[in-house]
Amino acid sequence: NFMLTQPHSVSESPGKTVTISCTGSSGSIASNYVHWYQQRPGSAPATVIYENNQRPSGVPDRFSGSVDSSSNSASLTISGLSTEDEADYYCQSFDSSSSQVFGGGTKLTVL
Amino acid sequence: EVQLVQSGAEVKKAGESLKISCRVSGHLFTSYWIGWVRHMPGEGLEWMGIIYPGDSDTRYSPSFRGQVTISADKSINTAHLQWSSLKASDTAIYYCASYGSGSHFEYWGQGTLVTVSS
Repeated sequence: NFMLTQPHSVSESPGKTVTISCTGSSGSIASNYVHWYQQRPGSAPATVIYENNQRPSGVPDRFSGSVDSSSNSASLTISGLSTEDEADYYCQSFDSSSSQVFGGGTKLTVL
Repeated sequence: EVQLVQSGAEVKKAGESLKISCRVSGHLFTSYWIGWVRHMPGEGLEWMGIIYPGDSDTRYSPSFRGQVTISADKSINTAHLQWSSLKASDTAIYYCASYGSGSHFEYWGQGTLVTVSS
């Protein structure tokens, strides 16, 4: 089964930049869109990046996404970190024509 | 404004059946895929499956195929997730979510906590 692998946790200081990776287990991650969700404790997830690099209205331009075919991975980059960015982040993509999968999630700590 | 409102928390015993719901308002129910996501305590999100209410085309994750049934009732703009025989390991928060302008889950329900005792 296709899997998306994320680092379990990342931490960075306020004002800095952090990048969270999402690596596909097989095939080409560039063949399908990758989406990113933010989930704060006690809340439903919310999209921060969709279709690789699109930002929903209301999401600050500090959030950006990219896909790198050479490493079969996608990345979420958050610049100008603030404590409000502390959350779990999940990537999501297709694993076949009929099914999709989430990455295991990355806990972001801003300290 | 698109809203997904889920049914309330459930406490059940292992072996019992259950059907939870997700009522959609604010956009044309039949035109957008609706999916279900499981969030077990202390774990990550799991994509369970998705349905297109317009023609009831349903796709399941291999991990959940045969374990749950996803359906949609166009007459009441509501999607359902059901179990015929719950297990203690089904204890989780279940979210419904809908596509919007793109191919991602743009709109989310508030989640339904399902607690199953053995």
